[in-house]
Amino acid sequence: SQQGEEDPQALSIQEGENATMNCSYKTSINNLQWYRQNSGRGLVHLILIRSNEREKHSGRLRVTLDTSKKSSSLLITASRAADTASYFCATVWRGSNYKLTFGKGTLLTVNP
Amino acid sequence: GAVVSQHPSRVICKSGTSVKIECRSLDFQATTMFWYRQFPKQSLMLMATSNEGSKATYEQGVEKDKFLINHASLTLSTLTVTSAHPEDSSFYICSARDSALGAFFGQGTRLTVV
Repeated sequence: SQQGEEDPQALSIQEGENATMNCSYKTSINNLQWYRQNSGRGLVHLILIRSNEREKHSGRLRVTLDTSKKSSSLLITASRAADTASYFCATVWRGSNYKLTFGKGTLLTVNP
Repeated sequence: GAVVSQHPSRVICKSGTSVKIECRSLDFQATTMFWYRQFPKQSLMLMATSNEGSKATYEQGVEKDKFLINHASLTLSTLTVTSAHPEDSSFYICSARDSALGAFFGQGTRLTVV
């Protein structure tokens, strides 16, 4: 299976703290994307990092990609209660016709 | 980012009836759209890849006759759950691919079959 896996499965922090979530995958990829999902809602695209990129920033988000280790991390700095959601990484692996393969997600709870 | 609209957001239907879910890319053209299913507190599982003007490609274990997919235009794909049963109750999400920006998702449809 090419499915990625996030860890931790659940993370609970206090507002203002940083949250780090990790994602590992198994095959060569074209790109890796992070998504956010509020309970019972659709997915919101956060950031896309290509296989030839190592780090990307977007606001309070920082994503790294290590293709040698087949892993990525998502860092949310200065977290807010509104960041509470599930976060998924999804990979597009080569030869997949751009199908996204999702990990199981990390449930982040930011306590006010 | 690109906008994908999915409708309806929530539907309750009787067992044995069919339900159609629409997925539209509002500000870009999508030659490829994807349909996912998500069970509570689980990840998204790809059901099928919808290609404009051609037949959909279904993942292993997904019944083609049960989940009918039509991608009649570059901005619209539909998923019809035929003869729905309670076990089809789930959260269905579509995504549409923008060649430059990546894949964007609809809001999802909560299907409850009673």
